[in-house]
Amino acid sequence: SQTIHQWPATLVQPVGSPLSLECTVEGTSNPNLYWYRQAAGRGLQLLFYSVGIGQISSEVPQNLSASRPQDRQFILSSKKLLLSDSGFYLCAWELAGSSYEQYFGPGTRLTVT
Amino acid sequence: AQSVTQPDIHITVSEGASLELRCNYSYGATPYLFWYVQSPGQGLQLLLKYFSGDTLVQGIKGFEAEFKRSQSSFNLRKPSVHWSDAAEYFCAVGAGYNKLIFGAGTRLAVHP
Repeated sequence: SQTIHQWPATLVQPVGSPLSLECTVEGTSNPNLYWYRQAAGRGLQLLFYSVGIGQISSEVPQNLSASRPQDRQFILSSKKLLLSDSGFYLCAWELAGSSYEQYFGPGTRLTVT
Repeated sequence: AQSVTQPDIHITVSEGASLELRCNYSYGATPYLFWYVQSPGQGLQLLLKYFSGDTLVQGIKGFEAEFKRSQSSFNLRKPSVHWSDAAEYFCAVGAGYNKLIFGAGTRLAVHP
C-alpha cells in the first residue's frame, strides 16, 4: 500500500531564515505531487504541483520554491522566511491519471517568529 | 471559473443526530467531486468521491453524499453522528490540469 511521509512535523523558525520541508511517497511510481498551505481557520491553497522529476508548476508567486529531485520526493524551500509563511503545510500525492484523487500526508506546522 | 462553496462555517449537532453538510460547486463539465475530513493537526482523509454513475455514493465511516446536477450540489450526510466525527470537512472539485479546488471547510462540533 501507499504511504506518504512529511517531516519535520513541527518547525519554529525566525524571520529571514531558510526553510526546507520534505515529502516522500512509498509504494507507487511516478505520482503527481502537490504542496498546499493551510492558514489558520482557512481552506487549502495550492502552492506547487509536479507531474514528474524536475517538473514544477507554481500556483502562487511568493518567496517559496519547490523541487522534485527524485520520483517520489518533493521538497518545499525558502531562502528567507516571512511571518506570513506561517501555516500548516500539506503534501499530497495522486496516481497519475486517477482523476484528481489525492491522498494527503500528516502535514508540517510551521511557525515563523 | 471553478469554485466550491460550503455555506456553513460551523455546525453543532448532538451525538446520535443526523448530519448534512452542504456543498455547492461551479464547474462547466461533469465534475469530479470529493469530500475530505481533517482532524485537528492532521492531514486530510478522503471520505468519498463521485466520478460518474449512481448519484448517491457511499464512503468510509458511514458517510454518504448525493450529487444533484440540477442544484450543483454534493451534500454530505450521516444518519447518526458519533462524537469522533467532530472535525473539519472539506468539499472539493477536480478543476482541470491536475488541480483540486477546495471549499473553505465546515467545522463540525458534536455535543454529547
